[in-house]
Amino acid sequence: SQQGEEDPQALSIQEGENATMNCSYKTSINNLQWYRQNSGRGLVHLILIRSNEREKHSGRLRVTLDTSKKSSSLLITASRAADTASYFCFNNAGNMLTFGGGTRLMVKP
Amino acid sequence: GAGVSQSPSNKVTEKGKDVELRCDPISGHTALYWYRQSLGQGLEFLIYFQGNSAPDKSGLPSDRFSAERTGGSVSTLTIQRTQQEDSAVYLCASSLGKRGNSPLHFGNGTRLTVT
Repeated sequence: SQQGEEDPQALSIQEGENATMNCSYKTSINNLQWYRQNSGRGLVHLILIRSNEREKHSGRLRVTLDTSKKSSSLLITASRAADTASYFCFNNAGNMLTFGGGTRLMVKP
Repeated sequence: GAGVSQSPSNKVTEKGKDVELRCDPISGHTALYWYRQSLGQGLEFLIYFQGNSAPDKSGLPSDRFSAERTGGSVSTLTIQRTQQEDSAVYLCASSLGKRGNSPLHFGNGTRLTVT
């Protein structure tokens, strides 16, 4: 069974707005990671958050982790057209190596 | 430094032919992962190598798929008797840590089209 689910599947916002995407998982994790993919090719690592962390920041990115709800969120603040991409969460829960289905973000200039 | 390198970038093959896809991981990375991604879809796990340990083949969709990793470095994914449903982008990644405990570094993938 799939260990990661993301929502929304697609998100369209105006430049300057914030974008929030969510990821849920089913069993205990060691860490959860977020990746970005442009144009259907290689993924780029954004942030890794460990199970004992609740929040992590990197530039305009903020990731939160709620282990009681088995969920994580990625917030992109002050979005730019260049943020248009697909975003995936990844976890190694249950000895699996699972990516979520992804959120397709479109930022309109 | 050099990232993960995959070749070829694109491969068009006829149904029934065999194909080999190659992955050169980042030097020193002991973990290597293969995923495939159909158009507009998420990533499907195929196989995981860790050092000299037996690989985790649990994601291989059929016995037409196999992979090896020579000398703990370069990996080759082989698909025998290709079918049209094998058309996808095949992505390779490597990492320092074991089994997803550190960031994965991806190559740009091989786009396989089976006609």
